[in-house]
Amino acid sequence: SQTIHQWPATLVQPVGSPLSLECTVEGTSNPNLYWYRQAAGRGLQLLFYSVGIGQISSEVPQNLSASRPQDRQFILSSKKLLLSDSGFYLCAWGPRLGETQYFGPGTRLLVL
Amino acid sequence: QKEVEQDPGPLSVPEGAIVSLNCTYSNSAFQYFMWYRQYSRKGPELLMYTYSSGNKEDGRFTAQVDKSSKYISLFIRDSQPSDSATYLCAMSVNTGGFKTIFGAGTRLFVKA
Repeated sequence: SQTIHQWPATLVQPVGSPLSLECTVEGTSNPNLYWYRQAAGRGLQLLFYSVGIGQISSEVPQNLSASRPQDRQFILSSKKLLLSDSGFYLCAWGPRLGETQYFGPGTRLLVL
Repeated sequence: QKEVEQDPGPLSVPEGAIVSLNCTYSNSAFQYFMWYRQYSRKGPELLMYTYSSGNKEDGRFTAQVDKSSKYISLFIRDSQPSDSATYLCAMSVNTGGFKTIFGAGTRLFVKA
C-alpha cells in the first residue's frame, strides 16, 4: 500500500529565515504530487503540483518554490519567510492528475 | 460567486442521527467529486469518490451527486462520536487542463 510522509510535523521559524519542507511517497511510481496550504477556517489552496521529476507547475505566485529531485520526493522551499507564510502545509499524491488525491499528515508552520 | 460553496457549520447532532452534508458548485465542467474527512491537526482522509450522477454507498457513508443541479451530498448513517471532524468536499476536472477546488469544510460534532 502507499504511504506519504511529511516532516517536520511542526516548525516555528523567524521572519526572513529560509524554509525547507519535505514530502516522500512510498509504494507507488511516478505519482502526481501536490503542495497545498490550509489557513484556519478556509479551504485548501493549491500551491504547486508536479507530474514528474523536475516538472513543477505553480498555481499561485508567492514567496515559495517547489522542487522534485526524485520520483517520490517533493520539496517546498522559501529563501525568506514572511509572516503570511504561516499555515498548515499539506503534501498529497495521486495516480492521475486532477482525480483522487491522498494527503500526508501535514506540517504546521508558524512564522514569528 | 465562489466555485464551491459549503456551509461551515458547526453541525451538532446526537449519536445515531443521520447526517447530511452538502456542497454546491458553479462550474459544470467538474467531472470528479470527492469527500474528505479531516480530524483536528491532521491531513484530510479520502472518504468517497465518484464521477457520475447518482448515489454511491460505502458502509455508513453515501455520496450523492446531482450534476443537473450542481449539488453534492454526503450522508452519514448511525453517526458516531468518532465521526466528529471537518468534512471537505472537493471537485475536479482534468480535460483541457487540471483544476481541483476544495470547499472550506463543515465541522461536525456528534454527541454521545
